Amino acid sequence: DIQMTQSPSSLSASVGDRVTITCRASQNIRRYLNWYQHKPGKAPNLLIYGASSLQSGVPSRFSGSGSGTDFSLTISGLQPEDFATYFCQQSYTNMYTFGQGTTLEIK
Amino acid sequence: EVQLVQSGAEVKKPGESLRISCEGAGYIFADYWIAWVRQMPGKGLEWMGILYPGDSDVRYGPSFQGQVTISADRSTNTAYLQWSRLKASDTAIYYCARLQQLPPNNWFDSWGQGTLVTVSS
Repeated sequence: DIQMTQSPSSLSASVGDRVTITCRASQNIRRYLNWYQHKPGKAPNLLIYGASSLQSGVPSRFSGSGSGTDFSLTISGLQPEDFATYFCQQSYTNMYTFGQGTTLEIK
Repeated sequence: EVQLVQSGAEVKKPGESLRISCEGAGYIFADYWIAWVRQMPGKGLEWMGILYPGDSDVRYGPSFQGQVTISADRSTNTAYLQWSRLKASDTAIYYCARLQQLPPNNWFDSWGQGTLVTVSS
């Protein structure tokens, strides 16, 4: 199985900050990496697919990069609604494993 | 608009059976894989399995094979997740999600609102 490891597990930041979350795959997954935002009591929301493609309707302050085993999600200019948990997910295999999540908290 | 609407919260006792549902709307249900994802209390997302309603092809994650049954009814555009004997450790929120495919890539582009399952004696 492909393991996905995110870091950090939690992060404190302020409105307006630029933050980066990283995700590492246990083997080469090329660019088959997706990012989701998840708020308590809500359905997860797709942000980025294919490592760097922005899902329709998602603000441009969200961006993704990486390939192979190392990936990152960057939020440029944090907004109050961005405080949530973020998950990466691999789609290189049809086992679709998720990272353990990164919780972004208000400083 | 694509929508996945899940059945409501359930409270069950250990050993009981349960089936929860996920109804798709706004798209051709048979044409898209539907996955089930578990979130245990305070934990992350775990992919459980996935089903193609068009031919009922089902694949399970290693931790869930033999523990749950995933099925679908194309006539009602509904996918199901079923347990024959619940355990306390099945307490979790369960999400369904639609798989969007742009070969060779794919991703979950629409999610249900989640079903909270509580198993307690």
